[in-house]
Amino acid sequence: KAGVTQTPRYLIKTRGQQVTLSCSPISGHRSVSWYQQTPGQGLQFLFEYFSETQRNKGNFPGRFSGRQFSNSRSEMNVSTLELGDSALYLCASRDTPYTEAFFGQGTRLTVV
Amino acid sequence: AQTVTQSQPEMSVQEAETVTLSCTYDTSESDYYLFWYKQPPSRQMILVIRQEAYKQQNATENRFSVNFQKAAKSFSLKISDSQLGDAAMYFCAYRSVAAGDAGGTSYGKLTFGQGTILTVHP
Repeated sequence: KAGVTQTPRYLIKTRGQQVTLSCSPISGHRSVSWYQQTPGQGLQFLFEYFSETQRNKGNFPGRFSGRQFSNSRSEMNVSTLELGDSALYLCASRDTPYTEAFFGQGTRLTVV
Repeated sequence: AQTVTQSQPEMSVQEAETVTLSCTYDTSESDYYLFWYKQPPSRQMILVIRQEAYKQQNATENRFSVNFQKAAKSFSLKISDSQLGDAAMYFCAYRSVAAGDAGGTSYGKLTFGQGTILTVHP
């Protein structure tokens, strides 16, 4: 079974631009959650989707948004990028919100 | 809100020796899950071990075991017979027992500690 796939692996964007990151969960998994990892703030929860509905959202500004498609793939979008958005963005999938989360290898976003 | 604290930014151990990583947490909930995740240089988070709060017995997975002290809100990870491949960042994480649908529950959200970098010396 293929694992969680995040694309792209690396991304460099300019301040003010927007970016879209993609996450393909493990086949059969319907729950996808996103986390931001930075050296200063550590791992912080962004949001979780289950069956195409956002179920929970972390404490991030509205520039951070996401969605989930009918095939459970998820995208997150960050608009008007700031230097502080530079981070590793991790996606995790699970078959239900109650079971173990499996993580992807992340997307390293650098904002210059 | 729940918080997770790892007070050891860095730890080191000799190969084949035993090391213990500390984690404390704060919660008002009575039922929850606790996890240890490993993040090697590849950056992928790998689940090492999980503990359900309602279980008094400490979880064990091969060389990895936990010391779960619910009253003290402590959840330490012991790695026995350390191997070079154990070198990584280790994160302690908390998750509520999801109470059904959305609307105020923390659902599947994981709350992580700050991490401990483990170095294994040959």
